[in-house]
Amino acid sequence: EAGVTQFPSHSVIEKGQTVTLRCDPISGHDNLYWYRRVMGKEIKFLLHFVKESKQDESGMPNNRFLAERTGGTYSTLKVQPAELEDSGVYFCASSHRASSGNTIYFGEGSWLTVV
Amino acid sequence: AQSVTQLGSHVSVSEGALVLLRCNYSSSVPPYLFWYVQYPNQGLQLLLKYTTGATLVKGINGFEAEFKKSETSFHLTKPSAHMSDAAEYFCAVSGTGGYNKLIFGAGTRLAVHP
Repeated sequence: EAGVTQFPSHSVIEKGQTVTLRCDPISGHDNLYWYRRVMGKEIKFLLHFVKESKQDESGMPNNRFLAERTGGTYSTLKVQPAELEDSGVYFCASSHRASSGNTIYFGEGSWLTVV
Repeated sequence: AQSVTQLGSHVSVSEGALVLLRCNYSSSVPPYLFWYVQYPNQGLQLLLKYTTGATLVKGINGFEAEFKKSETSFHLTKPSAHMSDAAEYFCAVSGTGGYNKLIFGAGTRLAVHP
């Protein structure tokens, strides 16, 4: 069974450009999460989808970030325009159930560098 | 609000020595607790978790952790370190109600030397 896959694995863009990160969750997982780790900091929650609906987007830093999950399958996270402080690792994760205690499976992350 | 503190951003042990990675949490209600590991060039992998029941939890690769409510701790241990244990380890907490939103610590990078 395939795990959570993310693309691209690494991206280097200039300040002001746009980047779109893609996440394919484990098949059958209705719950999809985005987390982010900026350099040297904690991994922080960005948002949570249940199927195609945003359950919680309280962690999204500002309106330069847009997440979508059309059709409840894969998800994209767009950063437009990118700023230097957006550099970091963006993790996608999925779970079968959303209730606390259930295992969340993470992808390998998308490393974003904004120069 | 919940929070997690991992003592020591870097820990170095000799191969065969005890591994002890410390995690303390703050939560107004008893939380669920997790340890994740990130090996080089890989994603986060669940090592073990505590939800209910026995407070000593065994995970993969010989790791275990004990939930101590009185100390608000969930330290990760392994009796004998192996070179392949070199990785970054993350302690995380989530509330017992509602859905699964993880709060992570800053991580501890474990180095194992011969």
